Amino acid sequence: DQQVKQNSPSLSVQEGRISILNCDYTNSMFDYFLWYKKYPAEGPTFLISISSIKDKNEDGRFTVFLNKSAKHLSLHIVPSQPGDSAVYFCAASAGAAGNKLTFGGGTRVLVKP
Amino acid sequence: NAGVMQNPRHLVRRRGQEARLRCSPMKGHSHVYWYRQLPEEGLKFMVYLQKENIIDESGMPKERFSAEFPKEGPSILRIQQVVRGDSAAYFCASSPNRMGAKNIQYFGAGTRLSVL
Repeated sequence: DQQVKQNSPSLSVQEGRISILNCDYTNSMFDYFLWYKKYPAEGPTFLISISSIKDKNEDGRFTVFLNKSAKHLSLHIVPSQPGDSAVYFCAASAGAAGNKLTFGGGTRVLVKP
Repeated sequence: NAGVMQNPRHLVRRRGQEARLRCSPMKGHSHVYWYRQLPEEGLKFMVYLQKENIIDESGMPKERFSAEFPKEGPSILRIQQVVRGDSAAYFCASSPNRMGAKNIQYFGAGTRLSVL
């Protein structure tokens, strides 16, 4: 039962343009969402998060949008840079502060110079 | 401030041997989580520990796998009698103990286990 889904396994974008990554979830108990970036042979690196009481959170080039009614969130990266080429994971948690993360399958982003 | 430290980075075991994976959380963090990633998949939660306590082990296989986070020293994920299907990347994460606030989990570089 995949509670968090990233339906696009890969994305290719030109340097300087916007990258939009999508994530859908099914568990209505999820109330905190995070995006991680992962390079090969490294651990995931935290990028940005959003609580379910908000619909947008912005940090520099990264913006996360949350649509609770659609159970959908997206990560926008603008402008995209070659160093952004990595696998991006969406993750969600429910309830108490220390709860486990449920991850999507990841989207591989390639930023072309 | 050192990040989450995992060792070894790579571990090769033959079928039937034991694998021990270690994780030292970030300084000041008292929550530790273990995740497993199979090739081309996302990370799957295994277990959540605080010092000397297992809080949630709902993702741990019922047999051969165990985890601990002793009062002193790193957290250990132990896999007994390894099989080829245990080959994966195992990631440890830690978070601070700030009650009433959502805690971001910070990940180590992982241990890549290969079972021959």
